[in-house]
Amino acid sequence: KAGVTQTPRYLIKTRGQQVTLSCSPISGHRSVSWYQQTPGQGLQFLFEYFSETQRNKGNFPGRFSGRQFSNSRSEMNVSTLELGDSALYLCASSFFPLVQNTNSPLHFGNGTRLTVT
Amino acid sequence: KNEVEQSPQNLTAQEGEFITINCSYSVGISALHWLQQHPGGGIVSLFMLSSGKKKHGRLIATINIQEKHSSLHITASHPRDSAVYICAAHYGGSQGNLIFGKGTKLSVKP
Repeated sequence: KAGVTQTPRYLIKTRGQQVTLSCSPISGHRSVSWYQQTPGQGLQFLFEYFSETQRNKGNFPGRFSGRQFSNSRSEMNVSTLELGDSALYLCASSFFPLVQNTNSPLHFGNGTRLTVT
Repeated sequence: KNEVEQSPQNLTAQEGEFITINCSYSVGISALHWLQQHPGGGIVSLFMLSSGKKKHGRLIATINIQEKHSSLHITASHPRDSAVYICAAHYGGSQGNLIFGKGTKLSVKP
């Protein structure tokens, strides 16, 4: 069974640009959640999609958005990039949505490292 | 405010030592995750538990719901256990999100 695949692995963008990251979950998983990891703040929850619907959202500005397709693949978009958006962006998939999930482990991708210059 | 505290921040051990990493959270949760992150960034889920104790090989995770505390133990530590270990409080209900600890960087010397 293939794991969670995130593309691209590395990305360099300039302030003001926008970026789209992709996450393909494990086959059969319908929940995809996104996380930002920085040296200062650690890991933070961005949002979760389940069955093409955003289920919940962390405390991030509206520049951070996402969507999920019918095959459960998810994309995350960041518009008007700022230097502070430089981070490792991770996604995780699971069978159940986070709100109902008490026993189904999360499976993480290897992340996309975004550098904003 | 939902908070997760992890200790210690850094831990150096000799190969073979018994290791304990602690995690405390502030409000009721639906589950607690223990994650392992190696250099390069990839994260592996070690345990997800909502009560009691789970064991996988040399790793043991326990949780005390009343005390809002969880521990990760590594028996007979090995240099390949060197990684960052992160606990995450899983909030269900109307929130359905995760709050992460800052992580414990473990280095096991041969």
